[in-house]
Amino acid sequence: SYELTQPPSVSVSPGQTARITCYGEALPRQYVYWYQQKPGQAPVVVIIKDSERPSGIPERFSGSVSGTTVTLTITGAQAEDEADYYCQSADRSGTSGVFGGGTRLTVL
Amino acid sequence: QVQLVESGGGLVKPGGSLRLSCTASGFTFSDYYMTWIRQAPGKGLEWLSYISMSGGIIYYAESVKGRFTISRDNARNLMFLQMNSLRVEDTAVYYCARVAESKHWYFDLWGRGTLVTVSS
Repeated sequence: SYELTQPPSVSVSPGQTARITCYGEALPRQYVYWYQQKPGQAPVVVIIKDSERPSGIPERFSGSVSGTTVTLTITGAQAEDEADYYCQSADRSGTSGVFGGGTRLTVL
Repeated sequence: QVQLVESGGGLVKPGGSLRLSCTASGFTFSDYYMTWIRQAPGKGLEWLSYISMSGGIIYYAESVKGRFTISRDNARNLMFLQMNSLRVEDTAVYYCARVAESKHWYFDLWGRGTLVTVSS
């Protein structure tokens, strides 16, 4: 089955830049989307189509692609950005959704 | 108010069945693909199934194919997930979500989830 691979955890100090990667063999043929999930809450999409920011998402969130790896970057991370982050895409056929395993971001 | 609300979760024995519902409001339900996603306790997100606007296109994850059935009732703004032959490993919070664009399957509106516990 198709997989997306993320690091389990990333830690940064407030104000630093956090980078979370997501690797998948089908990338870049399929777009990647990023979700933020805080404890006890449903996920919220923060990046769509690899690098677009939906309305209402702070400018410090950005996405980029390099070959088969996409990266979520949070420039000037804040304490409120501490959460689990998931990348999401589709398999090569586009008939099956897939999530990465998630990355816990600690801002401390 | 634009929202999705799941219901129907609960405790069920292994081998049992459960039907989840997702009630949509505040938007034109029939204009959107919809999806079910689950999250086991302390674990990550797992995509389960898509259904197209009319219900004519349906996809399942391998982990639930043949056991779960997705359906929708556009007249009542409802989506369902019929879950049969439940296993302990199906224990999770089940979310319904709206697919933002029919050509790009990302999820821009989520419910708060309903907990399904499979245990003897």
